[in-house]
Amino acid sequence: AQSVTQLDSHVSVSEGTPVLLRCNYSSSYSPSLFWYVQHPNKGLQLLLKYTSAATLVKGINGFEAEFKKSETSFHLTKPSAHMSDAAEYFCVVPGLGNTGKLIFGQGTTLQVKP
Amino acid sequence: NAGVMQNPRHLVRRRGQEARLRCSPMKGHSHVYWYRQLPEEGLKFMVYLQKENIIDESGMPKERFSAEFPKEGPSILRIQQVVRGDSAAYFCASSVTRQAVNTEAFFGQGTRLTVV
Repeated sequence: AQSVTQLDSHVSVSEGTPVLLRCNYSSSYSPSLFWYVQHPNKGLQLLLKYTSAATLVKGINGFEAEFKKSETSFHLTKPSAHMSDAAEYFCVVPGLGNTGKLIFGQGTTLQVKP
Repeated sequence: NAGVMQNPRHLVRRRGQEARLRCSPMKGHSHVYWYRQLPEEGLKFMVYLQKENIIDESGMPKERFSAEFPKEGPSILRIQQVVRGDSAAYFCASSVTRQAVNTEAFFGQGTRLTVV
């Protein structure tokens, strides 16, 4: 079965310092993977997606993620945090069977301190 | 092009009442998905609908919950005889075709249901 595990429920960084949000996946094959962001009282927005074309994926707002098959990881990074990055982040994998459903990790709350 | 519209944004119901959550997909989108987010948890898939058809309802509770997506009008998620455990944020997403690697699903802002 497809699943993702986000290793940290909360991450706190200072503005201007790097961000690392960790995600490990479990899949019987090389999956597609996504990162979504949810700002308070907003809908979810797609940050970036991995589709096997390139292992390093660049997304919006300066975020990027690297797919590492040997480590079954898809960690999200950003070189320099901004206050506006404070939000909930979800690592997501499509469900099996091409049904269209998405399987979400538990989420990581990113706090950015001034 | 307006995004996915959900209403109401907040809904308070007493135990035993019915809750109706509406979702208007983006223009041109005929695929709708409902997800539920319980406190401190990620989103959990509930149901996937196309116009007038339920494609996958494997995430729907067996009782009290139903969903529809009529030919005209919004998709409706209906919860009968609500209980406190139904309190959650309910998100709707829509896509042009079945959500897949190259088809992004766009999410609404959610409806936050509180059962008192």
